[in-house]
Formats: sequence, structure tokens, C-alpha cells
Amino acid sequence: GAVVSQHPSWVICKSGTSVKIECRSLDFQATTMFWYRQFPKKSLMLMATSNEGSKATYEQGVEKDKFLINHASLTLSTLTVTSAHPEDSSFYICSAYLATGETQYFGPGTRLLVL
Amino acid sequence: AQSVAQPEDQVNVAEGNPLTVKCTYSVSGNPYLFWYVQYPNRGLQFLLKYITGDNLVKGSYGFEAEFNKSQTSFHLKKPSALVSDSALYFCAVRDFLGEYGNKLVFGAGTILRVKS
Repeated sequence: GAVVSQHPSWVICKSGTSVKIECRSLDFQATTMFWYRQFPKKSLMLMATSNEGSKATYEQGVEKDKFLINHASLTLSTLTVTSAHPEDSSFYICSAYLATGETQYFGPGTRLLVL
Repeated sequence: AQSVAQPEDQVNVAEGNPLTVKCTYSVSGNPYLFWYVQYPNRGLQFLLKYITGDNLVKGSYGFEAEFNKSQTSFHLKKPSALVSDSALYFCAVRDFLGEYGNKLVFGAGTILRVKS
């Protein structure tokens, strides 16, 4: 149980284009999902907290207009990197919060490469 | 503010030997502590957690952790290491502060290398 999927697992795009990443909780409902960014050999950096039916809460320094987050249902949150640039290349990981176990479960991650 | 520290960047252990990955915490109030493991190019997998109850917590893949309030530690342990345990391990604490009380604060991570 408590499986979280992400799609796509890999994406390569040209600079200036937008990329959408999906995060789904497959066997539970998650009122809260989180989006992280991870640099090589580094810990996770929380980008934003996504709550179903309301606006996302962004961490300090994260541009909300660049990283659009939508949490339209209890099992799906999306992160759209708008007008992507090479510096946005990174490993993006989502998690879904299972309230009954008070635990975050993580997706497998999405590797983004912007050329 | 809530925080965790993983004092070792890397831990090396021989296969079959016991392993310990260290974590200390600093929190206001009662800590909710977690261990996750990350394999290369993958997301994090949940190993175990301490919220309340028995100080010795057993988790997935034979791992366990001991909550020690006096030493503010939550070290991850396994009696007999496997080569397949080689990965990046993260300790985390729940952040009760802020608008949403279920954020996690992560340590820097510890690379575990198990050699055969």
C-alpha cells in the first residue's frame, strides 16, 4: 500500500518550453502533496506544499509563476515548469501525505533536462 | 526550528557486519522522526518512523531504529548488512510549525556502502 507514481520519469526539453509533471497517489487519497527538488548528492529541497482544492504554498525563494502547482483531486497533483531554462534541470520528487499513518510517501522522481 | 543532523557523510561496513547510521534531532515538543532510503535515480522509500510508544522501532528490510530522548538521537541500525543495503539514507523530522503541520525537515543524508 501507499504507492505514489510520477510521470514522466525522464523528460528532455528545449529551453523556453513548459513541462508538466504528474504525481498520483495510487491507493490512497492525499489532501496534501509536496514537491521537492534534489541536486546531485544533496538532500531534498522543499519547493511547495500542495493542498487539494486550494492554492499551493511555496517555500521562500521558489518562484510561484515559474513552478505552477495544481492539486485538482485527492489523488493528483501536477507541477508545471514554465519557460524552462537549463538551470531548471534537476531531479523533481513529489510526495503524498497519508493522514492515517502521518507519513509522507514519495514518488520515484522525474529527471528534467533542459537543453 | 525543527532540525535533524546526520553527522556522517558516508558509512562503510562489511557485508554481514552490523551497521549504524546516525541521526540527532532538535525539536520543540515531541518529535515525529522518520528514516527513508534512496537508491540511485529513484525517489525515497519509507523505512520506519517513531511517533510514540516503544523506543525501539522496527521497519522494512530488517532495519530498526532506537529513539533516545536523553541523547536526542534516532540512529538507524541493522544487525547484518547486505550489499543491497548500499544507498543514500535520510533522517527526517516532522515540522509542526507553519501553516501546514506535516512538512518534513530532512538531514543532509548519509551514503551507506556495504562491501562484500
